[in-house]
Amino acid sequence: QKEVEQDPGPLSVPEGAIVSLNCTYSNSAFQYFMWYRQYSRKGPELLMYTYSSGNKEDGRFTAQVDKSSKYISLFIRDSQPSDSATYLCAMILAAGGSYIPTFGRGTSLIVHP
Amino acid sequence: GAGVSQSPRYKVAKRGQDVALRCDPISGHVSLFWYQQALGQGPEFLTYFQNEAQLDKSGLPSDRFFAERPEGSVSTLKIQRTQQEDSAVYLCASSFAGNYNEQFFGPGTRLTVL
Repeated sequence: QKEVEQDPGPLSVPEGAIVSLNCTYSNSAFQYFMWYRQYSRKGPELLMYTYSSGNKEDGRFTAQVDKSSKYISLFIRDSQPSDSATYLCAMILAAGGSYIPTFGRGTSLIVHP
Repeated sequence: GAGVSQSPRYKVAKRGQDVALRCDPISGHVSLFWYQQALGQGPEFLTYFQNEAQLDKSGLPSDRFFAERPEGSVSTLKIQRTQQEDSAVYLCASSFAGNYNEQFFGPGTRLTVL
């Protein structure tokens, strides 16, 4: 079992839908949680990061962390075809000087007009 | 300003050849990471530099993989005697010192070993 699990999809939704993307993890010591978007044949692009538990909102994007359930989510409101991409979650321990992100395998999202 | 650039974008190598992949980080970024991304998978850590010092190379899969950053800016990932299982996208990312959660990625080099 991998430390970070993410359903690869694809997840197909109509334009305007609310999208929910999720990751689960096994190491309760993770402290930083990030979401990256990766378009085909491009490098990942950081969307949001959260420290510890709680919610963070940025425009149409909301990131949630539930450390008690070891579960993180990214919500996309009013989804657009341009949101079609692979979404990667990543986590960092930070404690003890460990700074290497552990990535999920990514969820492919398709938003159709 | 310019983002992270990588070259070449695509590389085809015959099994047994040596390859060198280059990364130009964002100016002023002290930290530099290399990752390997297999098809349908997330990036897997290879190695990390802070300035010219290679602080962690625990992710390098074998001694055929070697990375350097001699002047603390441009970095090169070298793979000797390439094998088919080395086929992947190699990503470089950079960040300001201590900002490990805010990494900026390059477009990657897609390596295909025949």
